[in-house]
Amino acid sequence: GQQVMQIPQYQHVQEGEDFTTYCNSSTTLSNIQWYKQRPGGHPVFLIQLVKSGEVKKQKRLTFQFGEAKKNSSLHITATQTTDVGTYFCAAYSGGYQKVTFGIGTKLQVIP
Amino acid sequence: DGGITQSPKYLFRKEGQNVTLSCEQNLNHDAMYWYRQDPGQGLRLIYYSQIVNDFQKGDIAEGYSVSREKKESFPLTVTSAQKNPTAFYLCASSPLPRDHEQFFGPGTRLTVL
Repeated sequence: GQQVMQIPQYQHVQEGEDFTTYCNSSTTLSNIQWYKQRPGGHPVFLIQLVKSGEVKKQKRLTFQFGEAKKNSSLHITATQTTDVGTYFCAAYSGGYQKVTFGIGTKLQVIP
Repeated sequence: DGGITQSPKYLFRKEGQNVTLSCEQNLNHDAMYWYRQDPGQGLRLIYYSQIVNDFQKGDIAEGYSVSREKKESFPLTVTSAQKNPTAFYLCASSPLPRDHEQFFGPGTRLTVL
């Protein structure tokens, strides 16, 4: 079955440093989504990537989908304390019928 | 206000009791989902439904049951057969097809004593 690895599981950064989380699948994906969950909250949708090699930006956040559609990354430039939370990827395969969430990367930003 | 509501926010039950978690949405979404979240394990899919009176098992359906009698409601029953029921349960909904973004409810934290 589909396996989705997300690394790292935890990341502590100094405010202003960059942060990256990676999501890797054992199978080719239809598309991938990224979510953010603030402490004590629920996941909130950030973005969806569909095309091979796609790159999307949201202010300080850059999302990439690999050429082979098996991996994706989320990069945050110059982190702020408001970036604290857990970032999840959600990987879709099998004609969008199967969704698997990554384990999440918990980001702590030290002021 | 459109959204998903889950109640209660915190729930305590004694071991051996069945408990039903509520999930209601007024977003007119066809698809609804139940996830379980445990520390260090991310979100795992329990059940999902794409249409009224139809639902499919997810990755960890054992010990759980659901119903979808109305489009806006998708209650989850945690039965006594579930060996480790203490967890944070999240309900979500999305339009079809299923690769649309999922909208999550605030979650219910269930503790079985």
